[in-house]
Amino acid sequence: AQSVTQLDSQVPVFEEAPVELRCNYSSSVSVYLFWYVQYPNQGLQLLLKYLSGSTLVESINGFEAEFNKSQTSFHLRKPSVHISDTAEYFCAGTNNAGNMLTFGGGTRLMVKP
Amino acid sequence: DAGVTQSPTHLIKTRGQQVTLRCSPKSGHDTVSWYQQALGQGPQFIFQYYEEEERQRGNFPDRFSGHQFPNYSSELNVNALLLGDSALYLCASSPVRGSYEQYFGPGTRLTVT
Repeated sequence: AQSVTQLDSQVPVFEEAPVELRCNYSSSVSVYLFWYVQYPNQGLQLLLKYLSGSTLVESINGFEAEFNKSQTSFHLRKPSVHISDTAEYFCAGTNNAGNMLTFGGGTRLMVKP
Repeated sequence: DAGVTQSPTHLIKTRGQQVTLRCSPKSGHDTVSWYQQALGQGPQFIFQYYEEEERQRGNFPDRFSGHQFPNYSSELNVNALLLGDSALYLCASSPVRGSYEQYFGPGTRLTVT
């Protein structure tokens, strides 16, 4: 069975500090991986995706994630966070059928002033 | 261009009742998936509809059923509600079946008392 594991349920960090949100996937999960962000009382927004090609993917708001096949990881990083980055972040993967997303349990990023 | 819309926003039901949730996909999308997100957890895949048929199903009982209409909109029905069905129900649409990108609606918050 597929599985996606987010190792930290909460990550507190001060504004302008760097952050890493960790995600590991089971080897049976396809190499199609995603990070979604969920702000309070809202749905999920796609932050970035890895489908193929370069193992480093970037979003428009400064986040990046690196696909590491040997470590089965897809960690999300940002060099300097803002208060507005406070949200729940979900890592997800999909199988070759390309439809059913398997989500991790989520990581709550709390940016403090 | 409207994104994925869901109705109602919030709903309160009593144990044993039945509920219907509705979803309109993003313009140009023909595939709709439903997810259940319990409080503090990641979303779990319920099922996916394409060409008015259920194409893939997650680990949910038959009390959960759905429908897709010719205009690609979709309904999720839950019968014999249990307290454990209380959750945020998310609808996601994809441009074509097999596309790895899913766009999520804001969700319907269902509370079962």
